[in-house]
Amino acid sequence: DAGVTQSPTHLIKTRGQQVTLRCSPISGHKSVSWYQQVLGQGPQFIFQYYEKEERGRGNFPDRFSARQFPNYSSELNVNALLLGDSALYLCASSLGGQGGEKLFFGSGTQLSVL
Amino acid sequence: AQSVTQPDIHITVSEGASLELRCNYSYGATPYLFWYVQSPGQGLQLLLKYFSGDTLVQGIKGFEAEFKRSQSSFNLRKPSVHWSDAAEYFCAVAHSGGYQKVTFGTGTKLQVIP
Repeated sequence: DAGVTQSPTHLIKTRGQQVTLRCSPISGHKSVSWYQQVLGQGPQFIFQYYEKEERGRGNFPDRFSARQFPNYSSELNVNALLLGDSALYLCASSLGGQGGEKLFFGSGTQLSVL
Repeated sequence: AQSVTQPDIHITVSEGASLELRCNYSYGATPYLFWYVQSPGQGLQLLLKYFSGDTLVQGIKGFEAEFKRSQSSFNLRKPSVHWSDAAEYFCAVAHSGGYQKVTFGTGTKLQVIP
């Protein structure tokens, strides 16, 4: 079975641009979460979506948005990119989206903002 | 608010030696506690998880962790380290509520020397 897949794997953008990152969860998983991992830090929670609805949001500005599609795949959008948005963006899926469930992570999208 | 502290940024051990990675958490109720491992350029893989029951938890790859409520600690151990264990290790806490926000520590990078 395929794991969590993310695309693209690497991306270079300039300040002020917009970016869309994509994630396909493990088959049967209805919850998708997004995390930002800045170099040298642990991942930070951005969003969780379950059954196409936002369930939780971390402490990120409104420039960050996401959505989940009927097939449970998800997109993360970041507008008006800043240098500080450079990071590894990780997508994680789980079956039911409850607090104690195991998260399955993709390999991430490495975003560089110049 | 939930938080995780990993006091050791970097640890070096010899292959075959024992390992203990420290983790302290802050959470108002009984938390879900996790240890994840991240190899370079990869996503995170769950090693083990604790919520209740036996305070000594067994995980994959020969790892175990002990929950000590009185010390708010959840240290990861392995009796004999292999070169392939070199990676970054993250302790994490999740609340048991209806959504899935995981708070990660800053990580401990493990180097294994021959």
